[in-house]
Amino acid sequence: AQSVTQLGSHVSVSEGALVLLRCNYSSSVPPYLFWYVQYPNQGLQLLLKYTTGATLVKGINGFEAEFKKSETSFHLTKPSAHMSDAAEYFCAVRAFTGGGNKLTFGTGTQLKVEL
Amino acid sequence: NAGVTQTPKFQVLKTGQSMTLQCAQDMNHEYMSWYRQDPGMGLRLIHYSVGAGITDQGEVPNGYNVSRSTTEDFPLRLLSAAPSQTSVYFCASSSGQGRPEAFFGQGTRLTVV
Repeated sequence: AQSVTQLGSHVSVSEGALVLLRCNYSSSVPPYLFWYVQYPNQGLQLLLKYTTGATLVKGINGFEAEFKKSETSFHLTKPSAHMSDAAEYFCAVRAFTGGGNKLTFGTGTQLKVEL
Repeated sequence: NAGVTQTPKFQVLKTGQSMTLQCAQDMNHEYMSWYRQDPGMGLRLIHYSVGAGITDQGEVPNGYNVSRSTTEDFPLRLLSAAPSQTSVYFCASSSGQGRPEAFFGQGTRLTVV
């Protein structure tokens, strides 16, 4: 069974500071990995994904994440936070084959950006 | 450019009532899923479908039924609503081939009193 752990349910950064949201997963084989963002009262929007190939993945809005197989991690970063980045962020995994494209989500990290 | 459409956006039910949450996608995706979102618990899979006529249970299926008669539609039925089913419900779809990411609807906020 797959699982996802997001360390820190709430993260607060200053505008212009580095954003680091942590995600660790457990899976018997390297899975597909995703980060989604959810703004208040909205659905989930894909930020970025790792499938195969390059382990550093760039997404929308200046975010990127690095797949580290040895650490079973997929941490999300952004060099300089903006007020508009305040939202909830979810890390998710999906089995590489089969499984009907079922996603397993972490419990989410609420990002607050302060002036 | 509709993507995944969920109706209604908000609903209040009394305990014991039944209702159907609608979900439709216009991307010809094979896979569709229903999740519920509760504070501090992330999203949990209720039911999913790998194609028309094929459904299966997810992590938290009790109290919910689904069917998939067409590729486009995947309704979620609450048989006898309970306060524990107060949640935000999301429908998602994906193609599964080449692009494994899921596309989500805007959600249905359900309150059971």
